[in-house]
Amino acid sequence: DAKTTQPNSMESNEEEPVHLPCNHSTISGTDYIHWYRQLPSQGPEYVIHGLTSNVNNRMASLAIAEDRKSSTLILHRATLRDAAVYYCILIDRETSYDKVIFGPGTSLSVIP
Amino acid sequence: DSGVTQTPKHLITATGQRVTLRCSPRSGDLSVYWYQQSLDQGLQFLIQYYNGEERAKGNILERFSAQQFPDLHSELNLSSLELGDSALYFCASSVGDGELFFGEGSRLTVL
Repeated sequence: DAKTTQPNSMESNEEEPVHLPCNHSTISGTDYIHWYRQLPSQGPEYVIHGLTSNVNNRMASLAIAEDRKSSTLILHRATLRDAAVYYCILIDRETSYDKVIFGPGTSLSVIP
Repeated sequence: DSGVTQTPKHLITATGQRVTLRCSPRSGDLSVYWYQQSLDQGLQFLIQYYNGEERAKGNILERFSAQQFPDLHSELNLSSLELGDSALYFCASSVGDGELFFGEGSRLTVL
């Protein structure tokens, strides 16, 4: 399984932008980059995913490096509700999403 | 609300016992995934089913087994329980596009 590397923890001030990095130097051409987050005492929730181009949705933006070896999840204005563990995952569409493996993720703290 | 229902929400049992956790996926989702999350640990992938068939296995112990029924609900059976099996067990479902929808989890406490 292709692996990702994320910082263990990050801090952000409320209402400021947050950039959560993810390195995936062994990514293959058929790997999609997915981001999930897990709020305290809840199951993970899907945030965003992309293949090559940058992506935006109502929750966040995903910036993908040109060589695809890294990506950044951008929260445009952090709120207290964004305090969570953020997971960056590679999912190979060739295997039809059979195995979705979560790493340790980045624990984001938001300071009021 | 993700649309994925897990029961029971909480379960307390003794070592050596057997329990069954149930998961009802979102309507139309054919894939069901099971994960274990121990205290302060990450999500460990256990097993995945697609339309009734096992598709992928992770670090699932031999004491654990799962199945997916014709109505697509799934059950995770945990037997000969040990203290270390205490954890949150999450079920997720998907149509098969990589976007997983998670339930709220079943918290198992083994005493």
